[in-house]
Amino acid sequence: QSALTQPASVSGSPGQSITISCTGTSSDVGSYNLVSWYQQHPGKAPKLMIYEVSKRPSGVSNRFSGSKSGNTASLTISGLQAEDEADYYCCSYAGSSTPWVFGGGTKLTVL
Amino acid sequence: QVQLVQSGAEVKKPGASVKVSCKASGYTFTGYYMHWVRQAPGQGLEWMGWINPNSGGTNYAQKFQGRVTMTRDTSISTAYMELSRLRSDDTAVYYCARDLQAVTPGGYWGQGTLVTVSS
Repeated sequence: QSALTQPASVSGSPGQSITISCTGTSSDVGSYNLVSWYQQHPGKAPKLMIYEVSKRPSGVSNRFSGSKSGNTASLTISGLQAEDEADYYCCSYAGSSTPWVFGGGTKLTVL
Repeated sequence: QVQLVQSGAEVKKPGASVKVSCKASGYTFTGYYMHWVRQAPGQGLEWMGWINPNSGGTNYAQKFQGRVTMTRDTSISTAYMELSRLRSDDTAVYYCARDLQAVTPGGYWGQGTLVTVSS
């Protein structure tokens, strides 16, 4: 199972909005509404930010939102803040043989 | 509160095996799947497999089948991941991660265990 495709890097200024894409196939992202997004700061464990495409766990800011169209999922962060600078990973269910597959990760830089 | 505490860093020689533990607290251990995810230095996340702590059933990524074994001890609320026939490219931080809810991996994460494979 191939990794999902994410841009290597994105950047934005404080207060702006950015969107990170996550492209899979009809066997994973396109078939299931089970896409999650994780934030990872250097040297730290990942943190779940979005699950089931667009749901936020308790405690996650509503500046983070998720969506999906066809084989591509997206994470949007509005009102960028310095603390949003981190790596972001998408993950999708991909069926029973190898259930979960991650994207390669996107480094977000807040200018 | 949910806590996952992993065992300490390991240094292994190529060809050896390593067993990493993940002790859970703050919830019913048998109620949620536990996943194992690894991250090589400077690289992305890689899903290795899950274990159902209730039944002991497992599902491994094809890449690791034959080399990985996930087990649990419900009496001490601890999950284990053993990787055999280690190679240098197995050098990574290994994380355990509990479902937030069904089919939602990574709701809670351990602190990670660095495994270094070097001769």
